[in-house]
Amino acid sequence: SAVISQKPSRDICQRGTSLTIQCQVDSQVTMMFWYRQQPGQSLTLIATANQGSEATYESGFVIDKFPISRPNLTFSTLTVSNMSPEDSSIYLCSARDRGVPETQYFGPGTRLLVL
Amino acid sequence: AQKVTQAQTEISVVEKEDVTLDCVYETRDTTYYLFWYKQPPSGELVFLIRRNSFDEQNEISGRYSWNFQKSTSSFNFTITASQVVDSAVYFCALRPGANSKLTFGKGITLSVRP
Repeated sequence: SAVISQKPSRDICQRGTSLTIQCQVDSQVTMMFWYRQQPGQSLTLIATANQGSEATYESGFVIDKFPISRPNLTFSTLTVSNMSPEDSSIYLCSARDRGVPETQYFGPGTRLLVL
Repeated sequence: AQKVTQAQTEISVVEKEDVTLDCVYETRDTTYYLFWYKQPPSGELVFLIRRNSFDEQNEISGRYSWNFQKSTSSFNFTITASQVVDSAVYFCALRPGANSKLTFGKGITLSVRP
């Protein structure tokens, strides 16, 4: 199984600022994803992070608001830009293990509170 | 379109009781994968089990067991002799073989009281 770490684990930010979340996987993986979990809700896919090319965004999410990078097969970043209190959520990085392609693992999440 | 329904939203049991968490799914794909994840209060999502659509064998792992029935499109999860540490939100999820996206249910909050 892939072990996924995220930084920071939590943050409190002021509205209008931006935060970049880092995700590191301990092995090369075929696909990486970013999810948002609003308080008391299920997980919503933001985008698929593509290595060496632009991320693929889901409906309702745009690159200007959530720019994503994936420079190699083990690392990705998600930036939450121009934050508002509505962006307060848990942001989770996820990856599909190259060795077991059907199982998707998740990082510990980043708890973001925007004031 | 893919859909996962977890009709139960909150369940509360007393320690040592058995509890079953229901999951019903919809997909037109013939090959798909079903998952259960546990999210304790700390927030991380812990993988519990994956089941492939072509494998209808039920599975038992310690106090956990899963009942997969394609005829009723259900993949239910039973915890035997529940413990306080089982308190968490449990998500059922579906990933069609031809699609890389994981579709989650809304989750079931399980509270196990001592």
